[in-house]
Amino acid sequence: DAGVIQSPRHEVTEMGQEVTLRCKPISGHNSLFWYRQTMMRGLELLIYFNNNVPIDDSGMPEDRFSAKMPNASFSTLKIQPSEPRDSAVYFCASSSATRGYEQYFGPGTRLTVT
Amino acid sequence: GENVEQHPSTLSVQEGDSAVIKCTYSDSASNYFPWYKQELGKGPQLIIDIRSNVGEKKDQRIAVTLNKTAKHFSLHITETQPEDSAVYFCAASADTPLVFGKGTRLSVIA
Repeated sequence: DAGVIQSPRHEVTEMGQEVTLRCKPISGHNSLFWYRQTMMRGLELLIYFNNNVPIDDSGMPEDRFSAKMPNASFSTLKIQPSEPRDSAVYFCASSSATRGYEQYFGPGTRLTVT
Repeated sequence: GENVEQHPSTLSVQEGDSAVIKCTYSDSASNYFPWYKQELGKGPQLIIDIRSNVGEKKDQRIAVTLNKTAKHFSLHITETQPEDSAVYFCAASADTPLVFGKGTRLSVIA
């Protein structure tokens, strides 16, 4: 199995630009999670989906952040407009209720907003 | 909601010694306790987990213990090696998304 796939691995953009992060979960997993990791805040859950439906987006910091999951094999996290304080590593993870909720992380996208 | 506290935040041990990382949780309904290892530039990797129906689980040099009465669980690494150096995260869940501790940076000194 290829594991969770994220793209791009690195993104450098200027303040005000739109940023789109992409994630492909492990095949057969029905839950998908977006996290943000910074030195100050640690690992924060932004939003999660069950069977492609957003369940809890209370961790999304502002309306500038949005996430979609149009099908079971793809999700996006969009930031528009981006700000320097959005600089962080963004992780996607997936899990399956039938496998005991074990959560597997992707390699992350390091976002730098200048 | 759930709150997970993790200690210590940093830990240095000599190669070959044991390392212990401790976590406490607040929600008595939590029933799943995984541990993750994160190496530099990589995503967290699940290394071991324990569920509320067992008190201890072992996998080679790593073990996890759970005390549901006291609401704490621990990660034990024996015979540490330089490649064990990483950031370790505990987490807790009650059939809801995982709540993570702040992490422990483990350094194994050769």
